[in-house]
Amino acid sequence: AQSVTQLDSHVSVSEGTPVLLRCNYSSSYSPSLFWYVQHPNKGLQLLLKYTSAATLVKGINGFEAEFKKSETSFHLTKPSAHMSDAAEYFCVVISMDTGRRALTFGSGTRLQVQP
Amino acid sequence: EPEVTQTPSHQVTQMGQEVILRCVPISNHLYFYWYRQILGQKVEFLVSFYNNEISEKSEIFDDQFSVERPDGSNFTLKIRSTKLEDSAMYFCASALGGGNQPQHFGDGTRLSIL
Repeated sequence: AQSVTQLDSHVSVSEGTPVLLRCNYSSSYSPSLFWYVQHPNKGLQLLLKYTSAATLVKGINGFEAEFKKSETSFHLTKPSAHMSDAAEYFCVVISMDTGRRALTFGSGTRLQVQP
Repeated sequence: EPEVTQTPSHQVTQMGQEVILRCVPISNHLYFYWYRQILGQKVEFLVSFYNNEISEKSEIFDDQFSVERPDGSNFTLKIRSTKLEDSAMYFCASALGGGNQPQHFGDGTRLSIL
């Protein structure tokens, strides 16, 4: 079975300060991991993906995430928050061993950016 | 950049009525999906579709639900007799390949059952 835990339901940062959104996963075999972002009244946009290549993955809009197998984590970071980063962020896992293609979503983290 | 498009953006329907949600996946994609998000809850997988048949479905996807790709471009989700608990945001997604190929999502259809 596969699952994802997003450790914070809400994160609030000031503009220009670093962002850290935490994600831990559980997977019986080699996982592929994704971060998606959802702005209000919009769909889910892919930020970045990890698929067993480099463990440090760079995505769009200055975001990156590091896959740490020993910690079963895939935290999302950004050095400097921008007001436009305010949105809901979802950590997502798919396990390659099961043959399933269904994504398993975390419960989401709402990022607020204060001016 | 190619997009997945969904129509309508908001659908209001009386309980017990049939509803069809429409999606146009990215044109060269081969795998298609429906997910839903009940207000305040996680995004949940409903069904995946490949080669004109369902390849996987969740326990949510019962006999009231069906999917179809009627004309090679549209991908539809039908709910035969809607219930209050079907109220949710429904997202369509498509992917170029299976496995760990990223799924690209539409903006969703908000379904409100009265």
